[in-house]
Amino acid sequence: GEDVEQSLFLSVREGDSSVINCTYTDSSSTYLYWYKQEPGAGLQLLTYIFSNMDMKQDQRLTVLLNKKDKHLSLRIADTQTGDSAIYFCAESTLTGGGNKLTFGTGTQLKVEL
Amino acid sequence: DTGVSQDPRHKITKRGQNVTFRCDPISEHNRLYWYRQTLGQGPEFLTYFQNEAQLEKSRLLSDRFSAERPKGSFSTLEIQRTEQGDSAMYLCASRSGGTGSPLHFGNGTRLTVT
Repeated sequence: GEDVEQSLFLSVREGDSSVINCTYTDSSSTYLYWYKQEPGAGLQLLTYIFSNMDMKQDQRLTVLLNKKDKHLSLRIADTQTGDSAIYFCAESTLTGGGNKLTFGTGTQLKVEL
Repeated sequence: DTGVSQDPRHKITKRGQNVTFRCDPISEHNRLYWYRQTLGQGPEFLTYFQNEAQLEKSRLLSDRFSAERPKGSFSTLEIQRTEQGDSAMYLCASRSGGTGSPLHFGNGTRLTVT
């Protein structure tokens, strides 16, 4: 079955890098996603990576994928106060549900001045 | 791009009442998903449509829940005889048909059952 785990909290100082980690269990996952959720809002897609890649960079965001260990990380460079939010990792399972996503419990990122 | 739209944003209802939520996906997206999110948790899959066909339902979707997408455009999610345990954020998402294309979420409907 699918299971996605994340640490619950991360606190960083403004300007530092943040690294949010995620582990997943479904070895057949084809895509892995990072979403951001601000209070009272829906989920905003940040980036995603195909499982045959090991890295993807998009401006301040770097995604690293270790498929052997089923470990995914999101690095945010030069973290700003506006980056404070909950970050969700999700894996896709191409079952009868199409590209159904299974989400982790989220990591709350707090950026301090 | 108007994004995924959900209505209402908030709904407060008394236990035992029926509620209905609406989702308008991104217009060119033929796949539509409903998720439920409780406090401190990630979203949990409820059901999925491809065009007007409902292709998968989660075990979370009890017989009090019904979802429709009659013309393959907007979708409704109805909860009958609401219970306090139904209090949650109900999120709708849509995507195009491309393999691995990501889900785009609406801002959700926050349901509170008193």
